[in-house]
Amino acid sequence: RKEVEQDPGPFNVPEGATVAFNCTYSNSASQSFFWYRQDCRKEPKLLMSVYSSGNEDGRFTAQLNRASQYISLLIRDSKLSDSATYLCVVPQGGKLIFGQGTELSVKP
Amino acid sequence: EAGVTQFPSHSVIEKGQTVTLRCDPISGHDNLYWYRRVMGKEIKFLLHFVKESKQDESGMPNNRFLAERTGGTYSTLKVQPAELEDSGVYFCASSPRLGMGGGYTFGSGTRLTVV
Repeated sequence: RKEVEQDPGPFNVPEGATVAFNCTYSNSASQSFFWYRQDCRKEPKLLMSVYSSGNEDGRFTAQLNRASQYISLLIRDSKLSDSATYLCVVPQGGKLIFGQGTELSVKP
Repeated sequence: EAGVTQFPSHSVIEKGQTVTLRCDPISGHDNLYWYRRVMGKEIKFLLHFVKESKQDESGMPNNRFLAERTGGTYSTLKVQPAELEDSGVYFCASSPRLGMGGGYTFGSGTRLTVV
């Protein structure tokens, strides 16, 4: 089993749609979690941190379920500019463990 | 402030040749990391420097890869001799303190193609 697993995607949604990505992690001792965004041929950039049950930032909501070892990212009112790959990331000591990423394509 | 800078942005080399990638972290960041994304796979950790010392090199694939961080400033990652499976995007990242998963800043990567 991979340490961090994500929905494979791609997700193709119309503008204005709500879309949710799922991520599961294997290390029950993990305390913090991150969603990174990676645009095509660019570097990963931090989107949201998740330290407790969840976090909300505008149209983006991240939720954490420690019992199920599950993290989700909800994007409301999708914009064309949201098109990217979303990476679920779990720190382990000094390093980051990445999921394979979920590709989102928002269409007009 | 300047971000993490990587050079070159692209490199195409033949199997058996040597390539050296360079990373300049954000000034003052003691922690420097190398990651790699092979096509179709997730981004994977290679190694971690704290200043000039290797803190964790558990992700280095084999002894063809050599990383250095002279004087705790910039870092180089040398692949010698390169093999086809070394192709991928090599990312460098830096952070001011250990454990700051949200405090990482990534460079834009070096896209390495071995032919």
